[in-house]
Amino acid sequence: GAVVSQHPSRVICKSGTSVKIECRSLDFQATTMFWYRQFPKKSLMLMATSNEGSKATYEQGVEKDKFLINHASLTLSTLTVTSAHPEDSSFYICSALLNSGIGSYNEQFFGPGTRLTVL
Amino acid sequence: GENVEQHPSTLSVQEGDSAVIKCTYSDSASNYFPWYKQELGKRPQLIIDIRSNVGEKKDQRIAVTLNKTAKHFSLHITETQPEDSAVYFCAASIRYSSASKIIFGSGTRLSIRP
Repeated sequence: GAVVSQHPSRVICKSGTSVKIECRSLDFQATTMFWYRQFPKKSLMLMATSNEGSKATYEQGVEKDKFLINHASLTLSTLTVTSAHPEDSSFYICSALLNSGIGSYNEQFFGPGTRLTVL
Repeated sequence: GENVEQHPSTLSVQEGDSAVIKCTYSDSASNYFPWYKQELGKRPQLIIDIRSNVGEKKDQRIAVTLNKTAKHFSLHITETQPEDSAVYFCAASIRYSSASKIIFGSGTRLSIRP
């Protein structure tokens, strides 16, 4: 199956700093990627849809100036958590949409996740 | 927008017995329903999916059913084994759309008792 990587897998930072998380589709091109946030023992919450070459679409309640998304190429989307605070500590997971062609069901492949801890 | 509800939140079954997880969705335009298994600290893994033109699908010990009229879908695991212990998420998605996205249910923590 298609492979999606995320980097870093784990990051600890001080409050007020910014953290960038990368999501890469390794063996396919993804015009669409998604960013999720998951709190302990909770479900995955969709934060935004990242579209190559255009602005991301944010879900209601997600601050676009707080969570900057850049999808500059067909294999890379980045999520930057700006001025991070302890409440931003969470497990962030990306997924990439494998486009199988017109009329097909496009499957999402998930990255391994990034655990962010803000001190 | 789409809303997916999932029950139960926790489920404990004896090894060898069956487990059933149920979900409902709100958007009648949803046409793709994947199920994911997530182990602690790891990514969700797709275990089975069903499309809206199908009522039931089976893959070895796992089966999913879909009732489009009632907007219900369920996951059935038979002959449960210890390695089935994990959190399971149902999801709903609208495909054939450039805005395709997956909305997850709240999850079910399944524990298999030896």
